[in-house]
Amino acid sequence: GQNIDQPTEMTATEGAIVQINCTYQTSGFNGLFWYQQHAGEAPTFLSYNVLDGLEEKGRFSSFLSRSKGYSYLLLKELQMKDSASYLCAVEDSNYQLIWGAGTKLIIKP
Amino acid sequence: ETGVTQTPRHLVMGMTNKKSLKCEQHLGHNAMYWYKQSAKKPLELMFVYNFKEQTENNSVPSRFSPECPNSSHLFLHLHTLQPEDSALYLCASSEQGTGGTEAFFGQGTRLTVV
Repeated sequence: GQNIDQPTEMTATEGAIVQINCTYQTSGFNGLFWYQQHAGEAPTFLSYNVLDGLEEKGRFSSFLSRSKGYSYLLLKELQMKDSASYLCAVEDSNYQLIWGAGTKLIIKP
Repeated sequence: ETGVTQTPRHLVMGMTNKKSLKCEQHLGHNAMYWYKQSAKKPLELMFVYNFKEQTENNSVPSRFSPECPNSSHLFLHLHTLQPEDSALYLCASSEQGTGGTEAFFGQGTRLTVV
């Protein structure tokens, strides 16, 4: 079967760095997405990785290792507004998105 | 504002009611989706429409009935729902067919079945 695993909840301090991990087992691989979802709002696109390595976009970076079926989202200089759920999704061989359950990130002052 | 609009934002319905959820996108995308989001569970893909044709129906009970009259509008008709159907229903659109294209989501309809 297809499976995406990520931690249910994480807590971090304002100004710090946090890494959210995602491991996957899917039928084929056409890329991995990270989305951010604030409570009561729509998920919004953060990043896309299809090749191994690190993609940096401002305070956020995303890493992919296809051989290990592993990705992480790295958030630097955390701000209170970063409190949200972070969703990992893999595009399978049929270009369908397989979603993780999301990681709720709590930022404390 | 993501370019995908859903109405209503909140809906409370009894198990014998019939209601419809509406989704509209003006992004020129060729694919639209209905997802169900329950607490602490992955997003569940319910239906996919590509160029108005339904291409996916992931074993969704018949009490959920989708309709896609054109490439910009998508409906989810609901009837005789169960309390376990209470969830956030999200609509999304994308340019399907090539990898790596992001999906744009509406803000969802929070459905409560009583």
